[in-house]
Amino acid sequence: EAQVTQNPRYLITVTGKKLTVTCSQNMNHEYMSWYRQDPGLGLRQIYYSMNVEVTDKGDVPEGYKVSRKEKRNFPLILESPSPNQTSLYFCASSSSAGEVAPGETQYFGPGTRLLVL
Amino acid sequence: EDQVTQSPEALRLQEGESSSLNCSYTVSGLRGLFWYRQDPGKGPEFLFTLYSAGEEKEKERLKATLTKKESFLHITAPKPEDSATYLCATKAAGNKLTFGGGTRVLVKP
Repeated sequence: EAQVTQNPRYLITVTGKKLTVTCSQNMNHEYMSWYRQDPGLGLRQIYYSMNVEVTDKGDVPEGYKVSRKEKRNFPLILESPSPNQTSLYFCASSSSAGEVAPGETQYFGPGTRLLVL
Repeated sequence: EDQVTQSPEALRLQEGESSSLNCSYTVSGLRGLFWYRQDPGKGPEFLFTLYSAGEEKEKERLKATLTKKESFLHITAPKPEDSATYLCATKAAGNKLTFGGGTRVLVKP
């Protein structure tokens, strides 16, 4: 079954304590990305990756890091979380990078709800 | 700056009452437009990809269309199970995805 998995699904942490949210896809997709979703602000892209070792900033990259060492994994790192990073986070993958291909599909993970105290 | 605006913000329909959702965009170098459905507490579920003006896609009671400035999602004879938030997003040059704020659809039996 095609899927994007995220772990953990729920996380409560304290300000400044480094954390990593993992993301993995089993579809051999090249394009992966991270989003945060906040009430009234919708989904905003944090970082994206067009392939292994290729990452780029989205609209709200401050306070986040990513790495893409393997095609299937795209972890999101918060090195010093702050309360304004409390949010619902989604990882996604897509069947094509660059030009949108006919039939291009996108899959989202189930989300990680993060609370930073 | 790329912008995607969806309207209306919320839509209440009676079962069987067809309607349309709008997604207007100002994007440099549009590469494609996507529609998603999102249920509360879940990740967006992919519905359609449109990548050229004039294109149409259909799936069950949903039909998406694309012009050079906007996209429409038509819901024909909706059922209560079509209740969800519908999101559109654009993929532009540089491969960034920009989402609209979504339209919350409630279909009453």
